[in-house]
Amino acid sequence: GQNIDQPTEMTATEGAIVQINCTYQTSGFNGLFWYQQHAGEAPTFLSYNVLDGLEEKGRFSSFLSRSKGYSYLLLKELQMKDSASYLCAVTPAAGNKLTFGGGTRVLVKP
Amino acid sequence: ETGVTQTPRHLVMGMTNKKSLKCEQHLGHNAMYWYKQSAKKPLELMFVYSLEERVENNSVPSRFSPECPNSSHLFLHLHTLQPEDSALYLCASSHLNREQFFGPGTRLTVL
Repeated sequence: GQNIDQPTEMTATEGAIVQINCTYQTSGFNGLFWYQQHAGEAPTFLSYNVLDGLEEKGRFSSFLSRSKGYSYLLLKELQMKDSASYLCAVTPAAGNKLTFGGGTRVLVKP
Repeated sequence: ETGVTQTPRHLVMGMTNKKSLKCEQHLGHNAMYWYKQSAKKPLELMFVYSLEERVENNSVPSRFSPECPNSSHLFLHLHTLQPEDSALYLCASSHLNREQFFGPGTRLTVL
């Protein structure tokens, strides 16, 4: 079976850093995606990790440890527009089936 | 604008109605997907079409019937739905084994 866990909600201050953790237990693993979803909108792609290590894209970075079944998304220099849900998703094997976690709602306060 | 469009954006239907959701992608992708997003639940994969063949049916009730006439279009035909089927239905597309691009979704309410 597939099990993906991430915190339900996090609050942070504008300009600060927030780290969203995601742990997974899946039968087979090919890669891990992070998506951002603003309320009432479609999810948008943020990052994709296949190998262990850190991938940096501007203010957003994503880390993966395959041996630990663990990933995090790091958001730096938070802006009000970063208030959204962040979805962790895993592809259990080569193919197109994505299994999503419940999402972490991040609230950025002034 | 992600290059994936969905119509209608909102739909209200009775349990005895038949309706269809439409998705179109303009990105040249070869895989398309239907997802269901309900309040307080993770995004659930319903169907996957790869190269116009259905390769995944995630134990979805038969009252949902997908159709993929070509690589750019995907439909979800609905009939005799239940109130618990009320949700946001999202379409997505991708190249094989690459990130998925989502449409804006259809907000469905079943009365």
